[in-house]
Amino acid sequence: GAVVSQHPSRVICKSGTSVKIECRSLDFQATTMFWYRQFPKQSLMLMATSNEGSKATYEQGVEKDKFLINHASLTLSTLTVTSAHPEDSSFYICSVERGHTEAFFGQGTRLTVV
Amino acid sequence: QKEVEQNSGPLSVPEGAIASLNCTYSDRVSQSFFWYRQYSGKSPELIMSIYSNGDKEDGRFTAQLNKASQYVSLLIRDSQPSDSATYLCAVEVLIQGAQKLVFGQGTRLTINP
Repeated sequence: GAVVSQHPSRVICKSGTSVKIECRSLDFQATTMFWYRQFPKQSLMLMATSNEGSKATYEQGVEKDKFLINHASLTLSTLTVTSAHPEDSSFYICSVERGHTEAFFGQGTRLTVV
Repeated sequence: QKEVEQNSGPLSVPEGAIASLNCTYSDRVSQSFFWYRQYSGKSPELIMSIYSNGDKEDGRFTAQLNKASQYVSLLIRDSQPSDSATYLCAVEVLIQGAQKLVFGQGTRLTINP
């Protein structure tokens, strides 16, 4: 498998502030990482694909100016939720893929915007 | 039609019995299929992957794939209370020129002692 570390695991922020979530691939170099969002009792929805050294690719309906992704090294991708609002409250999860698209997930970040 | 469909459950199974989880998908050219287990409040963990028609066994878990019927299933033998979780089916789908994982909505499984 792959070891993926995500931080923080839980964050509460005020409406209008920004939050940064880190995703680290600990045991192999990942040129690509993925960011998902999961609302309660719903499935994982891919938000964007993070590409090392280049711009992220965003899924339809995901605002790239609101969800800033930086993949500056082969082991670290960050997702910044800018000007967060209560509707952004969700479970954010990153993943790396090895082999046949086998995805290995970080621990997830529970974001609550108050 | 959703790309990956699962019965959301809840599915209740007595301890020691076989739990059967089902998933259908719409993209006929998909080649890679996965089952993930997700405990409440945690991120998903990969438990099985399958790429060829037929059965694949790993311990108490058996994945079954039928590409002609666009159907993939997961059997859990000798179910244990610790198997209680949401099981997510994921399928690799070609979307706008890129291979992406698409997840079903998950089936909530409860194993009753």
